[in-house]
Amino acid sequence: EPEVTQTPSHQVTQMGQEVILRCVPISNHLYFYWYRQILGQKVEFLVSFYNNEISEKSEIFDDQFSVERPDGSNFTLKIRSTKLEDSAMYFCASSGQGGWEQPQHFGDGTRLSIL
Amino acid sequence: SQQGEEDPQALSIQEGENATMNCSYKTSINNLQWYRQNSGRGLVHLILIRSNEREKHSGRLRVTLDTSKKSSSLLITASRAADTASYFCATDAWIQGAQKLVFGQGTRLTINP
Repeated sequence: EPEVTQTPSHQVTQMGQEVILRCVPISNHLYFYWYRQILGQKVEFLVSFYNNEISEKSEIFDDQFSVERPDGSNFTLKIRSTKLEDSAMYFCASSGQGGWEQPQHFGDGTRLSIL
Repeated sequence: SQQGEEDPQALSIQEGENATMNCSYKTSINNLQWYRQNSGRGLVHLILIRSNEREKHSGRLRVTLDTSKKSSSLLITASRAADTASYFCATDAWIQGAQKLVFGQGTRLTINP
């Protein structure tokens, strides 16, 4: 069964540095998402992406964050000037035609640790 | 309380017993989904129930939705050790002007052999 893959599985970065988290969604999916899960807390929506542009974003997704689909397979989340509170699991997800009305398929996440 | 709250927060039962988890939410929804998360892994979609549906089955899973009470339940029958995981409900809703999938805090289910 097709899977969403995320790299790296664990990223350790100094505070203030920039990080790029990478995702390869399921190949025929059209909708892409990023979520984060701070340790012990809920999974929180960050952003959705469709047709090469952001379709929805949460209040968490401020100017520090950006997303990009640089080619036909990758979907990236860039976090600039990282802060300690950015430490979390970041999950990528994708869904097929119908977007929000369809199940989302999640990757296993990237654990981001900001030192 | 917040959109998408599950109860109980933790549930421990014997293998073979049934497990019931509940979810409540605040706003109108388009659909409600249940996901499972094993420790250290991503979320796995279990079942989606639309706002105009009242009950749905998938294998050993049974989900109900009561839009008048803004609540849903997930029943796992004949539980197995492999069902040990956290279970989350997620509502597809418009919140603060944005459509998003909003997850609850989850129910930590432990199946004892």
